[in-house]
Amino acid sequence: AAGVIQSPRHLIKEKRETATLKCYPIPRHDTVYWYQQGPGQDPQFLISFYEKMQSDKGSIPDRFSAQQFSDYHSELNMSSLELGDSALYFCASSLFGDRGIYEQYFGPGTRLTVT
Amino acid sequence: GQNIDQPTEMTATEGAIVQINCTYQTSGFNGLFWYQQHAGEAPTFLSYNVLDGLEEKGRFSSFLSRSKGYSYLLLKELQMKDSASYLCAVRSFNQAGTALIFGKGTTLSVSS
Repeated sequence: AAGVIQSPRHLIKEKRETATLKCYPIPRHDTVYWYQQGPGQDPQFLISFYEKMQSDKGSIPDRFSAQQFSDYHSELNMSSLELGDSALYFCASSLFGDRGIYEQYFGPGTRLTVT
Repeated sequence: GQNIDQPTEMTATEGAIVQINCTYQTSGFNGLFWYQQHAGEAPTFLSYNVLDGLEEKGRFSSFLSRSKGYSYLLLKELQMKDSASYLCAVRSFNQAGTALIFGKGTTLSVSS
């Protein structure tokens, strides 16, 4: 079965640079979530989109922005990178559906290292 | 606010049964999830509870008591590959819509 695809898998940037992470949800899933997981930490919710509209906002810094495109893929744009942004960034997708469960399926993550 | 507590670490032996507890405080509760995460990998969905009671799925079972703000994940017939972090996550419409708020995770070590 198709899974969530994220690219790139690894990214190394310097302080103050910008980065763009991409996420391709499972086909027919209508909701995309972005999470940040620091070393030894639990995943922290950043932002989500439902049917290409921002639906909820978590602890996303103002330096970050995201959007979901007409083909449902999503991009997380990160500017003025700081050392503390080094983390695993997960994208997850779900389908609202009629069961109401809409469990989230996580992608493999992008490991961002800021030097 | 929201508070999710689970033990930091647990150890068990192959073939044994282990129960990982999770307590939570939230408003607008709309479901509790358990995920398994191996180091450096993506969280993998294990179970979901929204009503009180036990949900069984093979070697894994999850229980929920909404009145007590309590859940547990039960793992039976432990295998070495079950060594991982187990994340309890709550969905709360008042906090983050359909997004998940995760606990700190319980690192389970299974030995032979």
